[in-house]
Amino acid sequence: GAVVSQHPSRVICKSGTSVKIECRSLDFQATTMFWYRQFPKQSLMLMATSNEGSKATYEQGVEKDKFLINHASLTLSTLTVTSAHPEDSSFYICSAPLAGAPYEQYFGPGTRLTVT
Amino acid sequence: AQTVTQSQPEMSVQEAETVTLSCTYDTSESDYYLFWYKQPPSRQMILVIRQEAYKQQNATENRFSVNFQKAAKSFSLKISDSQLGDAAMYFCAYRSAFNTGRRALTFGSGTRLQVQP
Repeated sequence: GAVVSQHPSRVICKSGTSVKIECRSLDFQATTMFWYRQFPKQSLMLMATSNEGSKATYEQGVEKDKFLINHASLTLSTLTVTSAHPEDSSFYICSAPLAGAPYEQYFGPGTRLTVT
Repeated sequence: AQTVTQSQPEMSVQEAETVTLSCTYDTSESDYYLFWYKQPPSRQMILVIRQEAYKQQNATENRFSVNFQKAAKSFSLKISDSQLGDAAMYFCAYRSAFNTGRRALTFGSGTRLQVQP
């Protein structure tokens, strides 16, 4: 099946700094990618939809100036957490649907962000 | 907006036995997809099984099968001959089938399945 990678898998940063997380579709093109956040022992909550060539669409309550999304190419979307705070510590997961098969959605392995 | 509800935070099953995980959903859409995903300790999301709403026949994948009741908006997962490797968090998820609809998945709160040897 199709593969989605995320980098880094784990990152620790100091409060007030920014951190970038990359999501790549390795063997298919993804015009759309989704970013989810998962707090411990909780479900995946959609943060935003990343669209290649246009602005991301954010879910209600998600600060677009804090969580910057850039869909630079058909295989890469980045999520930058700006001025990170301890409450941003979470597990971030991206996914990408397969064009022409909307029910096929592939998940990255996730990135664990810890803000100290 | 669509919602997905999993009312069983935790379930336990003996190895080789059968267990059923429950899921209900709410939607006003006529066509959609339903999924069960498994999330092991590695946190990688793994698709277990998928059901298209327009299909009346329940989906099956080896030891995994679903009971899809469209009128009742119920979508349960049955795991037969449970194995130790089945222990994980299981999420029920919904996706609109319409291109104008929400294309991301809406997840339930999850059910943690323990398998006892």
